[in-house]
Amino acid sequence: DIQMTQSPSTLSASVGDRVSITCRASQGISNWLAWYQQKPGKAPELLIYKASNLEDGVPSRFSGRGSGTEFTLTISSLQADDFATYHCQQYHSYPYTFGQGTKLENK
Amino acid sequence: EVQLVESGGGLVQPGGSLRLSCAASGFPFRSYGMSWVRQAPGKGLEWVATIFESGGRTHYADSVKGRFTVSRDNSKNSLYLQMHSLRAEDTAVYYCAKDHSGDWNFWGQGTLVTVSS
Repeated sequence: DIQMTQSPSTLSASVGDRVSITCRASQGISNWLAWYQQKPGKAPELLIYKASNLEDGVPSRFSGRGSGTEFTLTISSLQADDFATYHCQQYHSYPYTFGQGTKLENK
Repeated sequence: EVQLVESGGGLVQPGGSLRLSCAASGFPFRSYGMSWVRQAPGKGLEWVATIFESGGRTHYADSVKGRFTVSRDNSKNSLYLQMHSLRAEDTAVYYCAKDHSGDWNFWGQGTLVTVSS
């Protein structure tokens, strides 16, 4: 199985900050990686697919990059609505696997 | 508007069975693969199962293989997850999700399954 490791597990930041979250795969997954945002008590929402493609309706302050084993989600200027948990997911091969999540909290 | 509405969750004893349903609307259901993803309380996301458009092809997580069965009825725009031999570690919110290209671009609100005596 492909293991996905996110870092950091928790990130403290303030509105206006530029923040980045890293996701590493235990083996190469090309660009078959998605990022999701999840707020408490809610379902995840797709932000980025195929490593760098912004899902329809997602603000342009979100961006993704990477290929192979290392990927990054960046929020260029943090907004109040962005405090949430972020998950990466590989869909290179079954079983599809997620990172453990990164909680982005208000400093 | 795409809508996915799960139902069928609840409290079940260890070893018991439960069937989850997901009613889909707002998109051509028969044209998309569908998946179940779960989240144990306070934990991360775990992919459970995927069924392809026609229903002829399925994939399962090792943790549920042989105990869970995913199925669909394209005439009813519905997805199902039949769960047997439930264990405490199956306790989670179960989401149905619409396949995009292996990722999932629409999710239901989830249904809670609690396995406890």
